Amino acid sequence: EPEVTQTPSHQVTQMGQEVILRCVPISNHLYFYWYRQILGQKVEFLVSFYNNEISEKSEIFDDQFSVERPDGSNFTLKIRSTKLEDSAMYFCAREQGDRNTGELFFGEGSRLTVL
Amino acid sequence: AQSVTQLGSHVSVSEGALVLLRCNYSSSVPPYLFWYVQYPNQGLQLLLKYTTGATLVKGINGFEAEFKKSETSFHLTKPSAHMSDAAEYFCAVTRVNDYKLSFGAGTTVTVRA
Repeated sequence: EPEVTQTPSHQVTQMGQEVILRCVPISNHLYFYWYRQILGQKVEFLVSFYNNEISEKSEIFDDQFSVERPDGSNFTLKIRSTKLEDSAMYFCAREQGDRNTGELFFGEGSRLTVL
Repeated sequence: AQSVTQLGSHVSVSEGALVLLRCNYSSSVPPYLFWYVQYPNQGLQLLLKYTTGATLVKGINGFEAEFKKSETSFHLTKPSAHMSDAAEYFCAVTRVNDYKLSFGAGTTVTVRA
């Protein structure tokens, strides 16, 4: 059973539409992250989330992006108005322990295709 | 700022041969270094890490890596490749109390029978 489960595995959307990607960490942990990988490029940090607040975000994470943990279990990434360049694989991750050490469990990813 | 450079986007080895994947880092403070592996259609999985202490670290599946501060390197090796080692490998760096990993571009390993 995976440590981190992501849904959907693949989503196709039209430019300008809102998208919500979901992550279920399963157990109670404090540190969560979203990373993305555009096809053929590096895995890039988007945002870190600690104790139900954003702790750090990259310059990629602009006002079109938001994260929340609405029910204490699911962890979501919302893109308000998708652009073509948002097409990527989005990975949710959580720390393996109780501190931020870089030892992460990654989900299998959600592939977003923006047309 | 921290970064890593992986030399070689593709490596092809014969089954049973040595696997050597190169990673060099740039960091103004003591780094925490990692190797992650990504099998097809799966998420990234932690292979091994270096934080402090012993510079030769062992990971899962017979892999090991050596932190060399003088060379700013953290190369990954496995003495004998197995078909199941075919995957993409990512080197990553962070530092204490940081929240984000900076990844290299990745190296795809293929194993020839």
